[in-house]
Amino acid sequence: GQQVMQIPQYQHVQEGEDFTTYCNSSTTLSNIQWYKQRPGGHPVFLIQLVKSGEVKKQKRLTFQFGEAKKNSSLHITATQTTDVGTYFCAATDRGSTLGRLYFGRGTQLTVWP
Amino acid sequence: EAEVAQSPRYKITEKSQAVAFWCDPISGHATLYWYRQILGQGPELLVQFQDESVVDDSQLPKDRFSAERLKGVDSTLKIQPAELGDSAMYLCASSRDRNLGQYFGPGTRLTVT
Repeated sequence: GQQVMQIPQYQHVQEGEDFTTYCNSSTTLSNIQWYKQRPGGHPVFLIQLVKSGEVKKQKRLTFQFGEAKKNSSLHITATQTTDVGTYFCAATDRGSTLGRLYFGRGTQLTVWP
Repeated sequence: EAEVAQSPRYKITEKSQAVAFWCDPISGHATLYWYRQILGQGPELLVQFQDESVVDDSQLPKDRFSAERLKGVDSTLKIQPAELGDSAMYLCASSRDRNLGQYFGPGTRLTVT
C-alpha cells in the first residue's frame, strides 16, 4: 500500500523560531491533508491540498503541495507554545476510488518558552 | 460545534475477553472511519463505512474484529477475543464526503492485560 514518509520525527525549537515538516511519497498523490494532535488528544484536521503547486496559509501556518504532487510541507513562522503537538500528513493515492488516507508517522514539535 | 462522540474513553480488559467500542459521528456525515493508533505512529485505517455499507475493511483482522453501522448513523467496533497486541488507541472519525477532511472523536484507549 501507499507509504508516506514524514521528516523529521522530532523537532525542538525555542519560541519564536520557525518550524518545517516535510512529507514525501514515491507515488503521485490525489490530495494531501494535514492534522495536528496535541499531547493526549486526537487528530484535528487543519487543511487539504488538492492542486499541483498549491500554497495555502492559515495565520502563521503555510502549507505547500509539490508540483509533481509527491511531496508537501508545513511551515510554522515564529512558533508559540500553543503550537506544541504532533503534525501528521495524510495522503490519498491518485486514482483511489475509496479515498483511503495513509498517515505519516508525524513530526513531534516541542517549543521551549 | 458538533463533535464525534466515542465511548468508553478508557477500557482495560483481559486477553481472550470481548470488548466493544461505540461511535456517534457528526450529524449528516455519511462516511465513518475506525482507526487504530499505536503510540508514536500515525492512525491506521481499520474500516471505512459509506452510510451503512463497508467500503474498505482490507486492514481489519476479520478473525477477531467486526464493525457495523446498521442504520448508517452510529457504529460499533468489536474485538473478540482481545489479544495483548490490541492495546492501542481506537479512533473514530467522520466526514461529509470521503474526499474531504475527517473529524476525529476523542478515542478509546484500550489496554489488554
